[in-house]
Amino acid sequence: NAGVMQNPRHLVRRRGQEARLRCSPMKGHSHVYWYRQLPEEGLKFMVYLQKENIIDESGMPKERFSAEFPKEGPSILRIQQVVRGDSAAYFCASSPRGQINQPQHFGDGTRLSIL
Amino acid sequence: QKEVEQNSGPLSVPEGAIASLNCTYSDRGSQSFFWYRQYSGKSPELIMFIYSNGDKEDGRFTAQLNKASQYVSLLIRDSQPSDSATYLCAVIALSGGYQKVTFGIGTKLQVIP
Repeated sequence: NAGVMQNPRHLVRRRGQEARLRCSPMKGHSHVYWYRQLPEEGLKFMVYLQKENIIDESGMPKERFSAEFPKEGPSILRIQQVVRGDSAAYFCASSPRGQINQPQHFGDGTRLSIL
Repeated sequence: QKEVEQNSGPLSVPEGAIASLNCTYSDRGSQSFFWYRQYSGKSPELIMFIYSNGDKEDGRFTAQLNKASQYVSLLIRDSQPSDSATYLCAVIALSGGYQKVTFGIGTKLQVIP
C-alpha cells in the first residue's frame, strides 16, 4: 500500500495519559499536514510540517500538543495529559511539494477516545 | 468571517437528478481548488481539482470556478445513492511562501432512491 499510513487506527487513553499518533506519508511526499475532526464537524487544520521543520502550527493548541517530522521515520502528533475534549478523529495528509497545485492525500485517520 | 463557506446541508436530491454543491472563499489570492468526498467514518478522498476559470468535467462530475465571484461549485450528474456523503471544498493559497490549505465545513449530500 503506497498510500498515507496512519497508526494506530483506534487509540483509547485515560485522562492524563499521553497519546502518540503516527503518520507515514506517501512515497515521495515530503510535506505532512495534521487535521482534527469532531463528529459532524469539518476538518480543522492543526500543523504543517516538512522534514525536520514545522512550517505552520497556527492550528495547534498552545499547550499539551506537539508535532514532529524527523529526518527518518514517521511524523508524530503527540498529545500530553489528554482530556475528554481531545476525543476526535485525527487525519494526516501528505503532498509531494508545498506547491499551489499539489493536492493532499489523506490517511485513514486515528480515532482517539478518552475514557 | 469564515474563509471558506459551504452550506452544511443536508442537501437531498432524488436519484438520477443533478446535485449542485457550492463553495465561496474570501482570499482573492487563492489559486487552487479541490473537492473531496468523505463517507461517514472514513477519510476524505480527492475527487476533483480545478485551477482555471470555467468548467472541468470528469465523468459524472463537473467542477466550476469563477474567481471574480470567488465561487467554486461541484455538479454531480445522474446522482446515485452511493454519492451520499459529505463533500468538502478545499482552497489553497500561497501564504508566507508556502501552501496554506483551508477546508470548508462540508456539505452533506443525500441521494434519495
